[in-house]
Amino acid sequence: DIQMTQSPSSLSASVGDRVTITCRASQTINNYLNWYQQKPGKAPKVLIYAVFSLQSGVPSRFSGSGSGTDFTLSISSLQPEDFATYYCQQSDSTPLTFGGGTKVEIK
Amino acid sequence: EVQLVESGGGLVQPGRSLRLSCAASGFTFDEYAMHWVRQAPGKGLEWVSSINWNSGSTGYADSVRGRFTISRDNAKNSLYLQMNSLRPEDTALYYCGKDTKGAYYHYIDVWGRGTTVTVSS
Repeated sequence: DIQMTQSPSSLSASVGDRVTITCRASQTINNYLNWYQQKPGKAPKVLIYAVFSLQSGVPSRFSGSGSGTDFTLSISSLQPEDFATYYCQQSDSTPLTFGGGTKVEIK
Repeated sequence: EVQLVESGGGLVQPGRSLRLSCAASGFTFDEYAMHWVRQAPGKGLEWVSSINWNSGSTGYADSVRGRFTISRDNAKNSLYLQMNSLRPEDTALYYCGKDTKGAYYHYIDVWGRGTTVTVSS
């Protein structure tokens, strides 16, 4: 099974900050790497799919990068509505594992 | 409007069974793979199971394999999760999700609101 390790598990940042979250896969996942955002009491929402493709309707301040086993989600200028928990997920092979999540909190 | 509505959750004793349903609307259900993802209270997302468009391919998390069965009825635009031999660690909010592909798994672009399963004596 492919393990997905996210870091950090939480971070504090201010509005306007640039934020970077990393996700490492235990083996190469052929760029089948997706990022989701979840706010308290809500279902997750996809932000980025296939490493760097922005889902329709998602602000361009979100971006994804990486290859092989190491991937990154970046938020160029953190907005109040971005405070949430972020998850990476690999869809290269079943089981389709999620990372443990990164909670982005207000500093 | 594309919509997924889960149902069937509730309080159940350990060792008993429960069947979750997910009613889909607003899209051509039989063209897409579907997923179940769960979230234990205060915890992260855990993928549970997936099924491709024609039920020809299914996958399960190690934690549920042999106890849970995913299925779909394309004529009824419905996805199911039969959960047997339930354990307290299966307590979670169970989400139904729609994939963007049919034959294989890509990513979930539509999520339901979830149905809560509580396993306790």
